[in-house]
Amino acid sequence: DTGVSQDPRHKITKRGQNVTFRCDPISEHNRLYWYRQTLGQGPEFLTYFQNEAQLEKSRLLSDRFSAERPKGSFSTLEIQRTEQGDSAMYLCASSTMAQTSTNEKLFFGSGTQLSVL
Amino acid sequence: GQQVMQIPQYQHVQEGEDFTTYCNSSTTLSNIQWYKQRPGGHPVFLIQLVKSGEVKKQKRLTFQFGEAKKNSSLHITATQTTDVGTYFCAGGARGSARQLTFGSGTQLTVLP
Repeated sequence: DTGVSQDPRHKITKRGQNVTFRCDPISEHNRLYWYRQTLGQGPEFLTYFQNEAQLEKSRLLSDRFSAERPKGSFSTLEIQRTEQGDSAMYLCASSTMAQTSTNEKLFFGSGTQLSVL
Repeated sequence: GQQVMQIPQYQHVQEGEDFTTYCNSSTTLSNIQWYKQRPGGHPVFLIQLVKSGEVKKQKRLTFQFGEAKKNSSLHITATQTTDVGTYFCAGGARGSARQLTFGSGTQLTVLP
């Protein structure tokens, strides 16, 4: 299976600690997205890369969050000084460039469930 | 900012009954996508609608995009237990790069 992979699947951390998640997109996909999902809600956009360039960041993304995609392949999302409100499922998705101006079809990974104690 | 609302939040149906979920955007959309998330799973793409008034069918699922491109619906005929999950609409806004704004979803339970 060459779908989107995320690691780890679960992460439990204490408030104030830093955490880092990894996403490996589908190999031929040049676009990569990070979303956050809390219970009973839909995925919420965090940030988006085209190849190695980070093109958009949500205004909701605080300075404690940083994402990288150094070689245009895998991506990491780091949260510094975690807070209890950061507890959520962090989803990565990838896509190829659409032929039109519409949005592309997103392929989601299984996510990393973060619990901040 | 753009908001996408879905109703109902929850729906319980008896197997064989029909089901409909509705999606409304605060702004005109360039396109709308629908995703299904099984319990404990991740969202899986179902379909994309682009044209005003567009209707698309996938077996027992019928998707509609409103004339004003601000609302959409998903209708499932004769539900089966395999339809269980949460259905999300996701709207793409004009002028936005590639962001999608997801609704809060409708959680469907199908009773055997």
